[in-house]
Amino acid sequence: ETGVTQSPTHLIKTRGQQVTLRCSSQSGHNTVSWYQQALGQGPQFIFQYYREEENGRGNFPPRFSGLQFPNYSSELNVNALELDDSALYLCASSLRRVGGPWEQYFGPGTRLTVT
Amino acid sequence: AQSVAQPEDQVNVAEGNPLTVKCTYSVSGNPYLFWYVQYPNRGLQFLLKYITGDNLVKGSYGFEAEFNKSQTSFHLKKPSALVSDSALYFCAVNYGNMLTFGGGTRLMVKP
Repeated sequence: ETGVTQSPTHLIKTRGQQVTLRCSSQSGHNTVSWYQQALGQGPQFIFQYYREEENGRGNFPPRFSGLQFPNYSSELNVNALELDDSALYLCASSLRRVGGPWEQYFGPGTRLTVT
Repeated sequence: AQSVAQPEDQVNVAEGNPLTVKCTYSVSGNPYLFWYVQYPNRGLQFLLKYITGDNLVKGSYGFEAEFNKSQTSFHLKKPSALVSDSALYFCAVNYGNMLTFGGGTRLMVKP
């Protein structure tokens, strides 16, 4: 196990609702990245947080937003849920240091179903 | 833009035989390449990475990968497959601290 935890494990929401997913990073790690993995596909990068600020974003609309807290844990918020948001959401933590790139260690994911 | 391709959706191999899972990449600049494995209802587990240096990279669980710059490939290999190696394998390229993944290859190892 990587030491990265995510909650909840599963979640069912209705189209138009809002959802918050949570991630606790591995001890000693200072960077958190979020990925969306649709069924049968590879993960897609949503965004990354370092020192509580967004540090890179993939091709996702603004209704996907996030936070990183002083203890390096993180939240992913999705507003106005759409059916296509149904996916496994993966959090990955890493230790950002000089000389990158840094291995990212993934949590077990949150399975979101939008009906 | 960077991209990764895994040309095989599934690879079947008998236990004890060598296995290869293929990956090709397209990046500008030096490639930073990774392999991850995903078991059912689990997150991704890091297997190995190529940053620079030797073209043959050794990783976890007896896996290794061969970097070939001229063919822009980074194939995952194991000399002797185990049934427990059956899982979904992802190749990824790191660019700007963002991982771009291939579509994945399902490895089936039969007893």
